[in-house]
Amino acid sequence: AQSVAQPEDQVNVAEGNPLTVKCTYSVSGNPYLFWYVQYPNRGLQFLLKYITGDNLVKGSYGFEAEFNKSQTSFHLKKPSALVSDSALYFCAPTDSWGKLQFGAGTQVVVTP
Amino acid sequence: DTEVTQTPKHLVMGMTNKKSLKCEQHMGHRAMYWYKQKAKKPPELMFVYSYEKLSINESVPSRFSPECPNSSLLNLHLHALQPEDSALYLCASSQELSPGTGAFNYGYTFGSGTRLTVV
Repeated sequence: AQSVAQPEDQVNVAEGNPLTVKCTYSVSGNPYLFWYVQYPNRGLQFLLKYITGDNLVKGSYGFEAEFNKSQTSFHLKKPSALVSDSALYFCAPTDSWGKLQFGAGTQVVVTP
Repeated sequence: DTEVTQTPKHLVMGMTNKKSLKCEQHMGHRAMYWYKQKAKKPPELMFVYSYEKLSINESVPSRFSPECPNSSLLNLHLHALQPEDSALYLCASSQELSPGTGAFNYGYTFGSGTRLTVV
């Protein structure tokens, strides 16, 4: 069975502190890995993706993610969080057919 | 143009009404999708069109009827919906690696969605 785990329903962080949103996956083959962000009452916005190559991927708004094949993880990180980063974050590897498999989502709350 | 445009942004309809959601993209993407999303939940795939042909129907009730008139447009026709169908409906598009393979690995562009309320 294919699955995506985002173990934290919510992550709370103070502004200026590092932010990490965790994601592990169990998908057959060599999936492509994506992170999307959703602000209230909005659609999903693409943050970054891993296809191949360097395990550290840099994306939009200062976010980056590290691909770890042995741990099948793709954690999202930001060195210094902003209040405006408060949103719902989805990890989404593709299945063998190329369809996105969304995790349950992690709500990020950044406090001033 | 790097956007997926969805109209209307909000829709309130009765259970006996017929309405349609519209989605448009001009990025040359040949795969288009409808997703349903409940609050604080991940999007759930409903339909996939590839080269204007329906390639995936995720066992969606027939009260939802998709249509792809051309490579830039995707519609979702709604009829006799139930209150539990109230949700955010998202459209997305992507490139397809090879026609008919279903390999949609380049990433998806999502629209802002239509907030549907069934009363």
